[in-house]
Amino acid sequence: AQSVTQLDSQVPVFEEAPVELRCNYSSSVSVYLFWYVQYPNQGLQLLLKYLSGSTLVKGINGFEAEFNKSQTSFHLRKPSVHISDTAEYFCAVSDRRDDKIIFGKGTRLHILP
Amino acid sequence: EAQVTQNPRYLITVTGKKLTVTCSQNMNHEYMSWYRQDPGLGLRQIYYSMNVEVTDKGDVPEGYKVSRKEKRNFPLILESPSPNQTSLYFCASRSSSGRLADTQYFGPGTRLTVL
Repeated sequence: AQSVTQLDSQVPVFEEAPVELRCNYSSSVSVYLFWYVQYPNQGLQLLLKYLSGSTLVKGINGFEAEFNKSQTSFHLRKPSVHISDTAEYFCAVSDRRDDKIIFGKGTRLHILP
Repeated sequence: EAQVTQNPRYLITVTGKKLTVTCSQNMNHEYMSWYRQDPGLGLRQIYYSMNVEVTDKGDVPEGYKVSRKEKRNFPLILESPSPNQTSLYFCASRSSSGRLADTQYFGPGTRLTVL
């Protein structure tokens, strides 16, 4: 069975500093990997996704993530955050064999002025 | 504009009073699903539907019902709501049940409180 672990429930970071949100997954088969963002009082929207090919995936709003198969990780990074990045971020994994997508518990990103 | 809509956005009700949360998408998507979001638990799937008249249980289906009579609509029904169903609910859709790589679109959420 698949599972997703987001190691940090909250991450505070100063504005214009870099940030990394960690995500590890477990699966015995090939997977698709996703990062979603939820801004306050809104639904989730897709930031980026890894399907195959290049392990470095670029998404919207300057975010990128790197798929590391040996470490079963898919960490999300941004070189310089802004106040507008304040949100909750969800990592998700899907087994390519079925339609199920499993979400992590989320990481709240707090941007400090 | 492509979107998933949910109604109502906020609802306060009492234990045992049947309610329905509607979900509609205008993207002609085959696959639709319902999630609930609780603090510290992330999103958990309640039910999903691969197409009209095809529905199946997710991870936490107890206490919920769904129907899919039309492609665009996927209502969530709570026949006898209980306080443990107080949560934030999201409807989502994507284009094809066989291609999980397609982007899933989420509605704005329905915040339900059961007293």
